Amino acid sequence: NAGVTQTPKFRVLKTGQSMTLLCAQDMNHEYMYWYRQDPGMGLRLIHYSVGEGTTAKGEVPDGYNVSRLKKQNFLLGLESAAPSQTSVYFCASRPTVTGELFFGEGSRLTVL
Amino acid sequence: DAKTTQPPSMDCAEGRAANLPCNHSTISGNEYVYWYRQIHSQGPQYIIHGLKNNETNEMASLIITEDRKSSTLILPHATLRDTAVYYCIVRPNQGAQKLVFGQGTRLTINP
Repeated sequence: NAGVTQTPKFRVLKTGQSMTLLCAQDMNHEYMYWYRQDPGMGLRLIHYSVGEGTTAKGEVPDGYNVSRLKKQNFLLGLESAAPSQTSVYFCASRPTVTGELFFGEGSRLTVL
Repeated sequence: DAKTTQPPSMDCAEGRAANLPCNHSTISGNEYVYWYRQIHSQGPQYIIHGLKNNETNEMASLIITEDRKSSTLILPHATLRDTAVYYCIVRPNQGAQKLVFGQGTRLTINP
């Protein structure tokens, strides 16, 4: 049972490049979330999904897009990366009924 | 979701009880109090949650005041491995979509 898996773990981009972060969970959870964490800061919610085929905006959605085509996967896309998007990105999931969040180990993104 | 206020940092001696406070004066009747922690740069880890009764599990105890406007997370015998940032969150247990983390409390356990 892998839990929540994020790929890639590390990535360096140049300004203007695009990329996609993949979050996969094998716990059949309905809800999935993408957060970013900047140095010395708390987590900020980017986008979330309450089920397959649904997405919604969080606190800081600008510059990101997401998709939930399959229940187990939640993709976070950066169409044109900017240095301000340099951060550690965390994916999380939870089942519908209980509130416990399960987090991945994070993806460290650097935009030059 | 109700907002929470936590001290930015705290210190505790190894082996002593660590008591982490959280204020949530605007909490609604159907909102639970959740605690998570983040060790170094790992993904956050669930600790405990409660509604109005005190709760205890293998990791910690949660004490919620009678008016529910504040709570305290207690780590009974803190170890060096408990050094982490601790987040207090309040939200409904079901049907809640957004989960918003604040700045948390950086707890340092000293030998």
